[in-house]
Amino acid sequence: ETGVTQTPRHLVMGMTNKKSLKCEQHLGHNAMYWYKQSAKKPLELMFVYSLEERVENNSVPSRFSPECPNSSHLFLHLHTLQPEDSALYLCASSQGAQGVGYEQYFGPGTRLTVT
Amino acid sequence: AQKVTQAQTEISVVEKEDVTLDCVYETRDTTYYLFWYKQPPSGELVFLIRRNSFDEQNEISGRYSWNFQKSTSSFNFTITASQVVDSAVYFCALSSIQGAQKLVFGQGTRLTINP
Repeated sequence: ETGVTQTPRHLVMGMTNKKSLKCEQHLGHNAMYWYKQSAKKPLELMFVYSLEERVENNSVPSRFSPECPNSSHLFLHLHTLQPEDSALYLCASSQGAQGVGYEQYFGPGTRLTVT
Repeated sequence: AQKVTQAQTEISVVEKEDVTLDCVYETRDTTYYLFWYKQPPSGELVFLIRRNSFDEQNEISGRYSWNFQKSTSSFNFTITASQVVDSAVYFCALSSIQGAQKLVFGQGTRLTINP
């Protein structure tokens, strides 16, 4: 595997379900990110992890819970979601998060539908 | 405030035409970075280029070229002799110290190349 991978690619869940999104980066990067992309909104940064420590939580509701067990893996745990949470969830990684100018490399995303 | 504006929501051209995607940014920082990403229908954002604020030299990579002008706060992207495979959503993004190093994205321009 190369680059940034995400599983599953598609997920349909009910409002009472609990599910997790997984992201893995094979680039040796130190920072990882979760973004939300809705149909009519720009990319929204959700969380930033640098060296496995959360450095940014962009006012995300608590029904989204991130986890970064090591610098290569990032999870997004989902529970009691709302229909408006349906979106494409993108994971990204970069060489560092504390310095300006690092380009981010993105995974293919998980298309989430909440019914 | 950090802001990126891509005024063109959608562009449609016939194959082999040249097309320019506009990007205007706002920042009070003197040190900042600008990026372009391509998002094909598969969903993954693909990194295309990064420029820092001290390097106004235009860049050409094959059929792609970028025009960075600090005087007008613009970082425009031109595709020469467009091809159907260029069809995608293109995002311009900005990061700077003032913006807490977050990548701020524009709304994106959907480019359709018709055969």
